[in-house]
Amino acid sequence: KAGVTQTPRYLIKTRGQQVTLSCSPISGHRSVSWYQQTPGQGLQFLFEYFSETQRNKGNFPGRFSGRQFSNSRSEMNVSTLELGDSALYLCASSPLTSGVADEQFFGPGTRLTVL
Amino acid sequence: QKEVEQDPGPLSVPEGAIVSLNCTYSNSAFQYFMWYRQYSRKGPELLMYTYSSGNKEDGRFTAQVDKSSKYISLFIRDSQPSDSATYLCAMTLNSGGYQKVTFGTGTKLQVIP
Repeated sequence: KAGVTQTPRYLIKTRGQQVTLSCSPISGHRSVSWYQQTPGQGLQFLFEYFSETQRNKGNFPGRFSGRQFSNSRSEMNVSTLELGDSALYLCASSPLTSGVADEQFFGPGTRLTVL
Repeated sequence: QKEVEQDPGPLSVPEGAIVSLNCTYSNSAFQYFMWYRQYSRKGPELLMYTYSSGNKEDGRFTAQVDKSSKYISLFIRDSQPSDSATYLCAMTLNSGGYQKVTFGTGTKLQVIP
């Protein structure tokens, strides 16, 4: 079974621009979560989508948004980029078989650099 | 104060050593405790998962949870260079029917041959 894929793997943008990141979950997984990883803050939860609906959201400004398509693929958008948005953005999919603490399978991430 | 505290390291040990990685937490509502391993330029992968206080063993890895002290540990026996990675603890609690996951910042481990 193919793992979680994320595109692009690397991205360089300038302040003020916007960016869209893509995530394809493992086949059959309906839950997709997004995280931001930085050296100082670690992994911080952005949001989670299940069946095209945002179920939960972390404490990030409205510049960060996402969506999920009917095939469970998900996109994340960051508008008006700031230098502090430079980070590794990780996508994780989950089968949600038991409903409690299901394992999350992470993709390799998209390394975003904002200049 | 962060809900989950983890020493970032780096931790450098010789091959064959016993490694101890630790996290403390402040929220007693955390229910499930996990350890993830993250290799350079890769996403985290789940190593161990436990619910109750006590020890759980899987090969060279032992996860320990002490809910009374709000302290969890991961022990690696006979450490190998291939264990060199960043180890993240993670904890979940039930928030409105949804399992909210909080990660530690990760400890970078280097096992020297």
